[in-house]
Amino acid sequence: DTGVSQNPRHKITKRGQNVTFRCDPISEHNRLYWYRQTLGQGPEFLTYFQNEAQLEKSRLLSDRFSAERPKGSFSTLEIQRTEQGDSAMYLCASSLGGTGVREQYFGPGTRLTVT
Amino acid sequence: AQKITQTQPGMFVQEKEAVTLDCTYDTSDPSYGLFWYKQPSSGEMIFLIYQGSYDQQNATEGRYSLNFQKARKSANLVISASQLGDSAMYFCAMRVTNTGNQFYFGTGTSLTVIP
Repeated sequence: DTGVSQNPRHKITKRGQNVTFRCDPISEHNRLYWYRQTLGQGPEFLTYFQNEAQLEKSRLLSDRFSAERPKGSFSTLEIQRTEQGDSAMYLCASSLGGTGVREQYFGPGTRLTVT
Repeated sequence: AQKITQTQPGMFVQEKEAVTLDCTYDTSDPSYGLFWYKQPSSGEMIFLIYQGSYDQQNATEGRYSLNFQKARKSANLVISASQLGDSAMYFCAMRVTNTGNQFYFGTGTSLTVIP
């Protein structure tokens, strides 16, 4: 078990470009989450998958953002027409399913800088 | 609405001393879980400890303990015998069982351990 991995770790892009991030969860975890973290703040929830189904989306997730989790394994988060306000750390987390509250295990994050 | 409040932006502690990081929460749901995460400068969120709303005893994990006062809606983290490696950001988080799967995070407390 290698933990949650995210790629790339850093991304610098020009305003207006599209970017895509990848998250590979812990293999036996069927729940996957995306968060955004800006400087000096805690992570803010973006979206949640159970297996391949996207079950929850935050209002923070504008129509420029899309997330997928084909086959219930890895997930991608795409941001179209990036804006400077999109600059942030994008964190992925995974957890076991089932009843009860489960801790989430986080990846190292992808730091996005939009110039 | 669900909310987590961490009122200490920064804390200092002498090495080998104990320190308490404050966290208060707000929810009207009776079933919830409270979590503490550590975020070192590398950026990865590390799960530390969990407390369920129905748990009768305070959670402990090694040098970490959670001082859960349900009536006060507080879930303070106590770190005993501080080590230099404890210097990091600490985030309190909550998940409410019946309102989805997202975690609500506080703004964090920056802990510095002084040798």
